[in-house]
Amino acid sequence: GQNIDQPTEMTATEGAIVQINCTYQTSGFNGLFWYQQHAGEAPTFLSYNVLDGLEEKGRFSSFLSRSKGYSYLLLKELQMKDSASYLCAVPNYGGSQGNLIFGKGTKLSVKP
Amino acid sequence: ETGVTQTPRHLVMGMTNKKSLKCEQHLGHNAMYWYKQSAKKPLELMFVYNFKEQTENNSVPSRFSPECPNSSHLFLHLHTLQPEDSALYLCASSQDRRGSTDTQYFGPGTRLTVL
Repeated sequence: GQNIDQPTEMTATEGAIVQINCTYQTSGFNGLFWYQQHAGEAPTFLSYNVLDGLEEKGRFSSFLSRSKGYSYLLLKELQMKDSASYLCAVPNYGGSQGNLIFGKGTKLSVKP
Repeated sequence: ETGVTQTPRHLVMGMTNKKSLKCEQHLGHNAMYWYKQSAKKPLELMFVYNFKEQTENNSVPSRFSPECPNSSHLFLHLHTLQPEDSALYLCASSQDRRGSTDTQYFGPGTRLTVL
């Protein structure tokens, strides 16, 4: 079966760095997505990792370790607008290849 | 703006009502999805359409009925819903379903309350 775990909530200070972890168990692997979702809004695509290592995109970076079934999203120079839920998702390698399985999301609160 | 629009944004309905949710994508994509998002639960896939053909029904009760008249439009028809169906219903689209790594683009969702 498929399973994704990520912390429910995190709090950080404006200007700081925060790391949001995601662990997954899947029967196969075809990449990992991170989405950002502000309250009451659509999830928006942040990153996609399929190879091990760190991919940097501005203030946001995403890391993947396939051997450990582990990923993290790193947010630098936090801004108040980064307060949102961050969703980790992997394609389903079970009966419906390509469907995304989402974690419950990590609600990040950025304080002044 | 992600190129995916949904109407209405908010909907309150009684258990005996019939209503429809509408989704439209302006991205030229061929795959469209309906998701349900409840508080404290992960996004749950409901239906998938690829090139207007339904390719996935994730054990969704028959009181939810999808319709995809063309690759740009997707509807979710609702009838005799239950209070536990209250949730945010999100539509998404992607280039197509042949590639499992296609990025999905989401609409803003319809906040549904069933009384």
